[in-house]
Amino acid sequence: DTGVSQNPRHKITKRGQNVTFRCDPISEHNRLYWYRQTLGQGPEFLTYFQNEAQLEKSRLLSDRFSAERPKGSFSTLEIQRTEQGDSAMYLCASSFRGSGNTIYFGEGSWLTVV
Amino acid sequence: EDKVVQSPLSLVVHEGDTVTLNCSYEVTNFRSLLWYKQEKKAPTFLFMLTSSGIEKKSGRLSSILDKKELFSILNITATQTGDSAIYLCAALNAGGTSYGKLTFGQGTILTVHP
Repeated sequence: DTGVSQNPRHKITKRGQNVTFRCDPISEHNRLYWYRQTLGQGPEFLTYFQNEAQLEKSRLLSDRFSAERPKGSFSTLEIQRTEQGDSAMYLCASSFRGSGNTIYFGEGSWLTVV
Repeated sequence: EDKVVQSPLSLVVHEGDTVTLNCSYEVTNFRSLLWYKQEKKAPTFLFMLTSSGIEKKSGRLSSILDKKELFSILNITATQTGDSAIYLCAALNAGGTSYGKLTFGQGTILTVHP
């Protein structure tokens, strides 16, 4: 499978715990995006990398959220001290500049904070 | 702030009907408009529209962009139950560090009854 891969697919955690999601983009895609989606809403932009550089971070993202892409390949999204409002699907997407910017999404990681 | 609005929010039709989904946008440094289909998992890519007035078709689906009036429509003819899904449109930003960022609408929930 050469698509965008995310894991874990589902995570249930207690409020206050830390969680980390991983995203492996399509090979050779230099751009990687994280979005969050709650029921009944379209995906909301969180942050974006070009290679290893984090170029933009949403103003809506609290300091409890951090993302990395250390080698310009896979990325991790960590949420510290989770709150119930963090319950959502976290989507990763990737694209390659020069391909018309078509952006492909992974299957998403569902987070439930109890 | 970039904004994408879809209408209607939900639509219920019978198999064989034709539907038109609407998407309007206000985005600085607009580059393209993308349509995605989402079925209880990650969005799957349908169309990317960059030029105004040029229709794109894929089977029973077609879409067109009007860059003067800042909107796009997605048409589905001879609908089938398998078309039931959330249809998302997203505006692609082409400016500075936001290059490649998508702003999504809230989606249109389409339900096709047999």
